[in-house]
Amino acid sequence: AQSVTQPDIHITVSEGASLELRCNYSYGATPYLFWYVQSPGQGLQLLLKYFSGDTLVQGIKGFEAEFKRSQSSFNLRKPSVHWSDAAEYFCAVGEFGNEKLTFGTGTRLTIIP
Amino acid sequence: EPEVTQTPSHQVTQMGQEVILRCVPISNHLYFYWYRQILGQKVEFLVSFYNNEISEKSEIFDDQFSVERPDGSNFTLKIRSTKLEDSAMYFCASSEPGLRRYEQYFGPGTRLTVT
Repeated sequence: AQSVTQPDIHITVSEGASLELRCNYSYGATPYLFWYVQSPGQGLQLLLKYFSGDTLVQGIKGFEAEFKRSQSSFNLRKPSVHWSDAAEYFCAVGEFGNEKLTFGTGTRLTIIP
Repeated sequence: EPEVTQTPSHQVTQMGQEVILRCVPISNHLYFYWYRQILGQKVEFLVSFYNNEISEKSEIFDDQFSVERPDGSNFTLKIRSTKLEDSAMYFCASSEPGLRRYEQYFGPGTRLTVT
């Protein structure tokens, strides 16, 4: 069965600093991978996705993620965070032939001035 | 930019009552989903719906739950007799046909409180 692990429950970074949020998945074949962001009181917004091809994918709001098959990871990065990036970030995995997404437990990001 | 909408944003109901949560998916999307997020827990898949029938459902989606696309625009989730443990945020999502069906777009959610 698919599973997604986000080892960091809460991360605090200073505004302007770089960010990396970790995501590890467990799945036999090549998964489809996603990062979603949830701002307080809002729904889930798709940040970026990986299906195949180039393992470094670019998303919205200046985010990128890198798929590393050898490490079963899909970490989210941003070179310089803004106060508006404070939110909860969810990694999710899907698979071909199955519309269900399996989500991680999320990482809450706090930005300090 | 088109988006998924959901109504109501917050629903309070008494245990044992029926509730219907409503969603309007993005207009050219053909796959529809419901997920839920119990407070402090992860987002969980409930059901997917395509071509007027359920294509997949989780073990959570028991006989108390049903989904319907009553017309060309709405997609509903009905809980027949609510329990306290049904209190959660319910998200509707939709996706295009083809390979892009794996790219799901979520609505803002309906917070269901069962008292």
